[in-house]
Amino acid sequence: NAGVTQTPKFQVLKTGQSMTLQCAQDMNHNSMYWYRQDPGMGLRLIYYSASEGTTDKGEVPNGYNVSRLNKREFSLRLESAAPSQTSVYFCASSEVEAHYGYTFGSGTRLTVV
Amino acid sequence: QKEVEQNSGPLSVPEGAIASLNCTYSDRGSQSFFWYRQYSGKSPELIMSIYSNGDKEDGRFTAQLNKASQYVSLLIRDSQPSDSATYLCAVNTNAGKSTFGDGTTLTVKP
Repeated sequence: NAGVTQTPKFQVLKTGQSMTLQCAQDMNHNSMYWYRQDPGMGLRLIYYSASEGTTDKGEVPNGYNVSRLNKREFSLRLESAAPSQTSVYFCASSEVEAHYGYTFGSGTRLTVV
Repeated sequence: QKEVEQNSGPLSVPEGAIASLNCTYSDRGSQSFFWYRQYSGKSPELIMSIYSNGDKEDGRFTAQLNKASQYVSLLIRDSQPSDSATYLCAVNTNAGKSTFGDGTTLTVKP
């Protein structure tokens, strides 16, 4: 009964490097989301996928891309990492477009040096 | 104006007291309202959801919604040290995603 699984948990990148954050859920949820959280701030939406086959930009999409690989998996890619992308990244899923709230993964702490 | 605003905090209450956390939102079309608890270094956890005006109680937690005033609150009765965390208010519109406030950090002192 894993819920939402994110990998990796920690990552250090050099400026300009690329990486993909992985997220998978086993709750048969339709909607999946990527948020970032910076110190003293709430969660800001990067991208979301209301259902399999669709993706949409959120509040802070610049510098990121996403792929909804199938119903279970939703990945976030940083093509050329920048220090401003240092943050904690959370993946979340929801049964029906967030109407019943989110289940969050444990997060990825990313540092870009 | 931010879409979702919470008391800046931090909030400190003695053990056994009532903690009151407040949230206001700007979009009158908002339909679903949530409170999440986030312990330091952990991910947010959904603790309350509310969809219609009035009160909703779950154990020691009560969520209150007033759509006319665009106001949501969370009351924690008989506060315990284990309630010490950051509480995030989240609001949904028709767009199928949540907008979060910056959070209020609660400390319950023994």
